[in-house]
Amino acid sequence: AQSVSQHNHHVILSEAASLELGCNYSYGGTVNLFWYVQYPGQHLQLLLKYFSGDPLVKGIKGFEAEFIKSKFSFNLRKPSVQWSDTAEYFCAVKRSGGYQKVTFGIGTKLQVIP
Amino acid sequence: SQTIHQWPATLVQPVGSPLSLECTVEGTSNPNLYWYRQAAGRGLQLLFYSVGIGQISSEVPQNLSASRPQDRQFILSSKKLLLSDSGFYLCAWSGQWVAKNIQYFGAGTRLSVL
Repeated sequence: AQSVSQHNHHVILSEAASLELGCNYSYGGTVNLFWYVQYPGQHLQLLLKYFSGDPLVKGIKGFEAEFIKSKFSFNLRKPSVQWSDTAEYFCAVKRSGGYQKVTFGIGTKLQVIP
Repeated sequence: SQTIHQWPATLVQPVGSPLSLECTVEGTSNPNLYWYRQAAGRGLQLLFYSVGIGQISSEVPQNLSASRPQDRQFILSSKKLLLSDSGFYLCAWSGQWVAKNIQYFGAGTRLSVL
């Protein structure tokens, strides 16, 4: 079974700082990768996804993530965070093809200080 | 457009009482449906998923059960709640074919068992 590791459980940054949240997964086959975000008081929602093609994917609100197959990683980045980015971020992985369940990481709480 | 409704938003129940949480999806047909439990520091744990009416798969043994009496209705139940059933429960759906890879979440139910 696949698993997902998120290295940072709680991150505190000042506005305009750069962000990188680590995510590694364990599965040797083809995968679909996701970052979901949960803003305070809101639904969990998709931030960005990787299915195939360009390993650098761009999502909403200036976020991007890079799939590095050799490192089994899908790190989330943003060059300059804003206070409104305060949220909990979840990395998730799904085996490609057919029905396969999505496995989520434990989440990273990001707090951006104005 | 598709929407997902989950209720109630919060629930306080005594130990040993029954439970019924309901989730409905609108604007799509034959969705895959999911129940997750979200716990601090543990991410999202998949409890049940369903690929069709009456088809339920359980991911973890527990005091809970799920049913899908209609195409777009998914119910999480318990005959006798335990203290350990307290938590935040999320319903999600995904579509067919390419859209099956992306999950859309409800607002969640905060369950407190006292």
